[in-house]
Amino acid sequence: EPEVTQTPSHQVTQMGQEVILRCVPISNHLYFYWYRQILGQKVEFLVSFYNNEISEKSEIFDDQFSVERPDGSNFTLKIRSTKLEDSAMYFCASSGGTAQETQYFGPGTRLLVL
Amino acid sequence: GESVGLHLPTLSVQEGDNSIINCAYSNSASDYFIWYKQESGKGPQFIIDIRSNMDKRQGQRVTVLLNKTVKHLSLQIAATQPGDSAVYFCAENMSGYALNFGKGTSLLVTP
Repeated sequence: EPEVTQTPSHQVTQMGQEVILRCVPISNHLYFYWYRQILGQKVEFLVSFYNNEISEKSEIFDDQFSVERPDGSNFTLKIRSTKLEDSAMYFCASSGGTAQETQYFGPGTRLLVL
Repeated sequence: GESVGLHLPTLSVQEGDNSIINCAYSNSASDYFIWYKQESGKGPQFIIDIRSNMDKRQGQRVTVLLNKTVKHLSLQIAATQPGDSAVYFCAENMSGYALNFGKGTSLLVTP
């Protein structure tokens, strides 16, 4: 069964450093998303991406964040200058041919900013 | 602001019993609702969804009920098994892109 994959599974970084989280969405999906989950809290939407551009973003997704689809398979989330409060699980998700289809989530990257 | 929330933060049931997890939503414009299961250290796993033109939808051992009048969503799990122990989130889709997740209910299945 196709699934969303994410690398790395864990990332530890120093405050102020840049990190890139990587995702490989399900191959025939057209919509891609990033969410985050701070420990013990609910999952929060960050950004959605379709047709090589951002289709929606939340207020969390400020200028420190960016997304890119560098090739036909990868989808990345970059945090330019990490802050302590960026520590969270980051989930990538993808959905199929229309916006309101089931979003399938990857296993997540646990980011710890020291 | 409008939000999705859950009535019970924790639910403990005996193996073999039926479980009911509830969710309230306040945005009447929401037209698509999803239940996800999240096990410790893993990503949300899709369970079942329902669109606003339906009242009920059944899957394998799971049923989702939607009451638009009172803006209430429930997930019923039949014959609950130890493997069902997890946190369950309801989510609503308003814009077609972002999912707005509830806070989660922890389901604990005891033998």
